[in-house]
Amino acid sequence: DGGITQSPKYLFRKEGQNVTLSCEQNLNHDAMYWYRQDPGQGLRLIYYSQIVNDFQKGDIAEGYSVSREKKESFPLTVTSAQKNPTAFYLCASSMGRGLAEAFFGQGTRLTVV
Amino acid sequence: GNSVTQMEGPVTLSEEAFLTINCTYTATGYPSLFWYVQYPGEGLQLLLKATKADDKGSNKGFEATYRKETTSFHLEKGSVQVSDSAVYFCALNPNAGGTSYGKLTFGQGTILTVHP
Repeated sequence: DGGITQSPKYLFRKEGQNVTLSCEQNLNHDAMYWYRQDPGQGLRLIYYSQIVNDFQKGDIAEGYSVSREKKESFPLTVTSAQKNPTAFYLCASSMGRGLAEAFFGQGTRLTVV
Repeated sequence: GNSVTQMEGPVTLSEEAFLTINCTYTATGYPSLFWYVQYPGEGLQLLLKATKADDKGSNKGFEATYRKETTSFHLEKGSVQVSDSAVYFCALNPNAGGTSYGKLTFGQGTILTVHP
């Protein structure tokens, strides 16, 4: 079945460590996105990519980094510079032009211990 | 810029009650509009969408009509069930069908709890 797979579902990180969240899609979508969700709040855009080897900062990019070496993959690294990384992270993809909805993965819950 | 404003929650209803969750938007051009639903601990699922003015999106008994004159996309359901308890997000894509890829802009979400 086509879809978006995020892994792991739960992730624990010690303070000062970098950690990478995986996002893979087999929908042949051009655009991919990372959102952060905090309790009781909406989604805030971290980074997005419209094409392989290109990505742009979203609204809250500080302390995060991404890469887009393959169309199917858009990993997110939460660096030690992110002061409050505990959150629910959602990856999404969309076809882009003319097909506007985004499809979401199941999310990764990151907790700093 | 683009923005989406949803009615503040949480919303608590009894089973079989009528549901309305208000959503208004600000955007240039002709955006596409969406409602997404999020069940506890999961990602977002597309509930329904509308791509032009006066379109009505519908799915699983939920409906929303794209009203350009009032810049609104209110979600309605005639008779809610306990299983509808979730968080509902209104969203827009400002560049649907255009020459640029659009980024989704989300409202803050509305928590719905339905009691038996």
